[in-house]
Amino acid sequence: EPEVTQTPSHQVTQMGQEVILRCVPISNHLYFYWYRQILGQKVEFLVSFYNNEISEKSEIFDDQFSVERPDGSNFTLKIRSTKLEDSAMYFCASSASGSQPEAFFGQGTRLTVV
Amino acid sequence: DAKTTQPPSMDCAEGRAANLPCNHSTISGNEYVYWYRQIHSQGPQYIIHGLKNNETNEMASLIITEDRKSSTLILPHATLRDTAVYYCIVRPWNSGNTPLVFGKGTRLSVIA
Repeated sequence: EPEVTQTPSHQVTQMGQEVILRCVPISNHLYFYWYRQILGQKVEFLVSFYNNEISEKSEIFDDQFSVERPDGSNFTLKIRSTKLEDSAMYFCASSASGSQPEAFFGQGTRLTVV
Repeated sequence: DAKTTQPPSMDCAEGRAANLPCNHSTISGNEYVYWYRQIHSQGPQYIIHGLKNNETNEMASLIITEDRKSSTLILPHATLRDTAVYYCIVRPWNSGNTPLVFGKGTRLSVIA
């Protein structure tokens, strides 16, 4: 069964460092998303991506964040200068189309900023 | 903010049906009801969705009231592995760009 794959599963980084979280969405899916979940809190939307551009983003997704689909298969989330409060689980998701909008999530990357 | 209301927690005996309610009284005509679940800290898992007719798949059944203001997710024979947080979400149809808005969900505990 096709699945969304995220790497790494766990990343520890120092405050102020740049991190790149990687995702391989399900092949032939057209919509891509990043969500995050701070420990003990709700799953929060960060950004959606369609047709090689950002289609929606939340207030959380400020200038420190960027997304890219560099090679037609990977979908990355970059945090330029990490803060302690960026520590969270980051989930990538993809969906096939507007008429099949159910999203399939990866297992997440646990980011710990120290 | 989430447009749905769910009880914070429920218990269910293993092997019995788990019935998880959701209130979405402000749902619009073009909005579907989606259910996802999150087992421990894993990624949310899609379960089922529907517009106004009852739906069933291999995981669950979804019962939507005639006025569409509430729905119930039914796990017909709950197992310990169904212990998770269950999220009821409303979202417009044909809306790949529209994000899923997760509330706090219902924490279902299946008890042996």
